[in-house]
This record gives sequence, C-alpha cells and structure tokens, in this order.
Amino acid sequence: QSALTQPASVSGSPGQSITISCTGTSSDLGGYNYVSWYQQHPGKAPKLMIYDVSNRPSGVSNRFSGSKSGNTASLTISGLQAEDEAYYYCSSYTSTSTVVFGGGTRLTVL
Amino acid sequence: EVQLVQSGAEVKKPGESLMISCETSGYSFTTYCIGWVRQMPGKGLEWMGIIYPGDSDTRYSPSFQGQVTISADKSISTAYVQWSSLRASDTAIYFCARAAAAGRHDAFDIWGQGTMVTVSS
Repeated sequence: QSALTQPASVSGSPGQSITISCTGTSSDLGGYNYVSWYQQHPGKAPKLMIYDVSNRPSGVSNRFSGSKSGNTASLTISGLQAEDEAYYYCSSYTSTSTVVFGGGTRLTVL
Repeated sequence: EVQLVQSGAEVKKPGESLMISCETSGYSFTTYCIGWVRQMPGKGLEWMGIIYPGDSDTRYSPSFQGQVTISADKSISTAYVQWSSLRASDTAIYFCARAAAAGRHDAFDIWGQGTMVTVSS
C-alpha cells in the first residue's frame, strides 16, 4: 500500500486560513469515512486533531476542521496562530484492515 | 488519567534481537487496541500494526509483516514490539498509541513518548 499524498509544505500568516490536502485511492481514503489528522511538533509525539473525517476530539480548538470529497480529504486551520506551526499527517483506514499515513506536511506560520 | 509509558532508548548491533514495551494505565487494557508507529530520522509516520489485547488479534502493515512481532501481556497491561534480527534500517523512533474508540483501530488518541532505537555496528 502506498502512502497518502500530501503537499510537502504550506505556509500562512497569523490570522489567515490554510488548507492541507490528502489524496488517496478508492481502496483507502475514498472508500471509508475513517480519515484522521495528526499534529506533530518537533521532538514530540503526534496529537490527534481530527477523526472520522471531520470530528474533533475533546480539547482540540474549533479552528481545526476536516472534510472529504471523493479520494481527497482536507484539513483547514482558520485564524492561524504561531503555535500551529508543526507537521501535519493524515491517515486513513484501508480495504486490507490496516491504516496508511500521508507523507506529512510542514506548516510554516510566517 | 490514561497514560502510555514506553521503555527507554536502545542501542543495538545489526543482527541482535530487541523487544520494546509500552506500559498502559488509567483504562481497561483489553477494551482498546494498541498500535505501533515508526518514525525514521527526519521522516514521516509509518503505521506498523496493531494488537487487540483482549484476544491478541493482530494486524500488520505489509511493509512490516514478518519483520516485527507485536504482542501484549494482559496481566500487566503492557504491549510490545519485537525484532529477531535488527538491521541498520530499523533505526527510528517507535511510538505506541491507543485507539481512539473501542473496537476500532483507525485513529489513535493517546500516544506514548516514543522509544529511540539505534542499530549500528
């Protein structure tokens, strides 16, 4: 199974909104509503930000939102803040009952 | 408080065996699956596999099938991943993580701190 496809980097200024895309196939992302997004700061463990395409775990800011259309999922961060600067990874359940991650996107807050 | 505490950093030689652990607390160990994720130096996250501690059902990514063994000891609420013969390419940080929902393994909401494994001659 191949990794999901994410842009290597995105950037935005404080207060702006950015969107990170995540593209898979009909055997993973397109076939299930089990898409998750993780935030990882350098040297730290990942943190779950979105699950089931668009649900936020308790404690995650409502500035983070997720969506999906076909084989592509998206993470949108609104009202960008300096603390949002991190790596973001998408993941999806697959037809073989495993999970695949995206390659990761580095978010820079200008 | 739900916690996953992983064993300490390891330095090994190629060909050696290794088992690292993930001790859990604060919830019913058999209710949620535990997964393992690899992060090679400077690289992204890779899903290795999971175990349902209640019945020891395991699933592996094709990339890790046959390369590692995931196990769990219900009596001490601890999960493990082991290698029988390490390679330099196994050098990475390994994270354990708990599934976000009982009976599912598509998302992880609680993570261990990571275990750095270095394999070098």
